[in-house]
Amino acid sequence: GEDVEQSLFLSVREGDSSVINCTYTDSSSTYLYWYKQEPGAGLQLLTYIFSNMDMKQDQRLTVLLNKKDKHLSLRIADTQTGDSAIYFCAESMRMDSSYKLIFGSGTRLLVRP
Amino acid sequence: DGGITQSPKYLFRKEGQNVTLSCEQNLNHDAMYWYRQDPGQGLRLIYYSQIVNDFQKGDIAEGYSVSREKKESFPLTVTSAQKNPTAFYLCASGLAGQETQYFGPGTRLLVL
Repeated sequence: GEDVEQSLFLSVREGDSSVINCTYTDSSSTYLYWYKQEPGAGLQLLTYIFSNMDMKQDQRLTVLLNKKDKHLSLRIADTQTGDSAIYFCAESMRMDSSYKLIFGSGTRLLVRP
Repeated sequence: DGGITQSPKYLFRKEGQNVTLSCEQNLNHDAMYWYRQDPGQGLRLIYYSQIVNDFQKGDIAEGYSVSREKKESFPLTVTSAQKNPTAFYLCASGLAGQETQYFGPGTRLLVL
């Protein structure tokens, strides 16, 4: 089945690291994604990882992929108040000649000053 | 300035009324998608199109219709058959045959 699970809420102090976790079900997904949504806005593509990679680092963001456990995480170093948002994990799933994204319910990150 | 635009930002629908949400992109993407987002939930796929004059139903197409007459445009009509239309609607686009999708700013639809 199609299911992506995320914890609902995370609160961290400014300057600390944040770790947002996600589990997915489709082992054939080629790419896994992290999107950020600020209040009332669309989704901003933050980063993605190819399924044959274990880790990807992009400035303050580190993505870890454990394909055996179907577990994905996003670590934000030196978290700032501007990082407060909802973070969505998504896996890609093939449909006919196209792909769709299966999203988790989102993790709301609150950064306390 | 390349990107995806959606209009209007807010839309109000009366009972029995059809309303149309606009989505335009100038990224030269072949594929376009419509998703619905309800509070506290992820996004669900309504319709998608890989090429002009062709589109397919997604997971929750009932009560919606689309057209794809131009590569740049993929309007979504919420018909009176959609009994629970209040939601945040997001349009996305991407390169044909590739998985990454880029999103517009969204339209919030409210029922009067």
